[in-house]
Amino acid sequence: ILNVEQSPQSLHVQEGDSTNFTCSFPSSNFYALHWYRWETAKSPEALFVMTLNGDEKKKGRISATLNTKEGYSYLYIKGSQPEDSATYLCAPQTGGYQKVTFGTGTKLQVIP
Amino acid sequence: DAGITQSPRHKVTETGTPVTLRCHQTENHRYMYWYRQDPGHGLRLIHYSYGVKDTDKGEVSDGYSVSRSKTEDFLLTLESATSSQTSVYFCAISELRVPEQYFGPGTRLTVT
Repeated sequence: ILNVEQSPQSLHVQEGDSTNFTCSFPSSNFYALHWYRWETAKSPEALFVMTLNGDEKKKGRISATLNTKEGYSYLYIKGSQPEDSATYLCAPQTGGYQKVTFGTGTKLQVIP
Repeated sequence: DAGITQSPRHKVTETGTPVTLRCHQTENHRYMYWYRQDPGHGLRLIHYSYGVKDTDKGEVSDGYSVSRSKTEDFLLTLESATSSQTSVYFCAISELRVPEQYFGPGTRLTVT
């Protein structure tokens, strides 16, 4: 079973603050790194899939970077809004059939 | 939104009874997955499928079996339900050209 660590486990920020989270994973047999956003009482939704070392992806105020050599990815949220409140999951993909292993997530609460 | 449905959405069953959950997709995606969500563990893979009649075990497959006789349907069976299988079950799909996973709405199963 792949060891995927996300930190912090939870985070409270004020509206307008920028924040970032970390995902650490084994660098061996790496294929891709997925980020998902999971709002309470809903289903996880894909944010990004990154494959190359040094990849950077951006969607609105959310961006992510990837370092495959050292096995980590950062997710950044600029100017957090209450609607950003959710759990953010990372999931490295290390083999075929697009199987991923999910971390336990970082729960973000943005206080208005 | 990806066309994924799960049925039933809620179920209460007794210990020792068999239970089958259904995942149905209209996207013609090749890969399908069953996960369970538990506090402190996040999403854990139970079984997955990489084509019709092609399935394999995930990290928490004991007590579960699956079948995929058609591209659009992936069934998860709890052979003899136990209280430890009380959980929320999510189905997901993906495709080679679309590697991110799309999740169904979830099934909340309670085993009494």
